[in-house]
Amino acid sequence: DQQVKQNSPSLSVQEGRISILNCDYTNSMFDYFLWYKKYPAEGPTFLISISSIKDKNEDGRFTVFLNKSAKHLSLHIVPSQPGDSAVYFCAASALGGSQGNLIFGKGTKLSVKP
Amino acid sequence: DSGVTQTPKHLITATGQRVTLRCSPRSGDLSVYWYQQSLDQGLQFLIQYYNGEERAKGNILERFSAQQFPDLHSELNLSSLELGDSALYFCASSVGGFPAETQYFGPGTRLLVL
Repeated sequence: DQQVKQNSPSLSVQEGRISILNCDYTNSMFDYFLWYKKYPAEGPTFLISISSIKDKNEDGRFTVFLNKSAKHLSLHIVPSQPGDSAVYFCAASALGGSQGNLIFGKGTKLSVKP
Repeated sequence: DSGVTQTPKHLITATGQRVTLRCSPRSGDLSVYWYQQSLDQGLQFLIQYYNGEERAKGNILERFSAQQFPDLHSELNLSSLELGDSALYFCASSVGGFPAETQYFGPGTRLLVL
C-alpha cells in the first residue's frame, strides 16, 4: 500500500507558466515532507522541504504548500523554465522518529516546453 | 556533483549470481542509505547505516545485505539474484541521519539481471 502518492505520472507546461505538482499521503504520522528533482542518469537532488508546523515554504521560484487536513502537498514552480524539465519526487517522513528513512512517491515527469 | 560516489555505474549479471555495490558518502557524512528504484516504482528505502551501525531497515530482502566500514564507505551485497532485482540502486548520505537533514544522492548503479 503506497503511503505517498503522486497520481500524475507526467505534466507538460509552457515556459513561463506555473507548474503545479501534487502529492497525497495516507500516514497521519508523517510530519516532514520533501521534494527531490531527478535528471536522467543522475541521482535525485534535494529541492525544498516543509514541516507540518507550516503550511507554506518558499525558495525562489519554488513554493511548497501543505494541507494537513487533506493530507496533500503541492509544489509550485513559477515561472517554469525548460531546465526544470525533470522527474520530481515527493517524499515524507515522521520527524518524531529517530530514523532518517524517507518514503517516496513514484514521481511526476515535468516537461517544460519553450 | 553531490559528493557521493557509487561504483560500478552499470552491472550486468546472470540469475543466481552475487554482486556488490559500493558507495562512498560525502566527506563528513556519517549516515549512508540505500534505495532501490525499479521500473515504474518510486525510490524504495532498503537500509540505513549510521557510523558503522545499522540504523533502520526498510523493504530489504533477506538475500540482500549491507555494511558500513570504519572509513564510512558502504557496500550493498545482492545474492541469488533474480530477474526482478534489475533496478537502479541509489546510495545517499547525510550528516547525522535524521529526517530533517538533506540526503545527498549518488548517481546510482544500474543493475541488469539476465
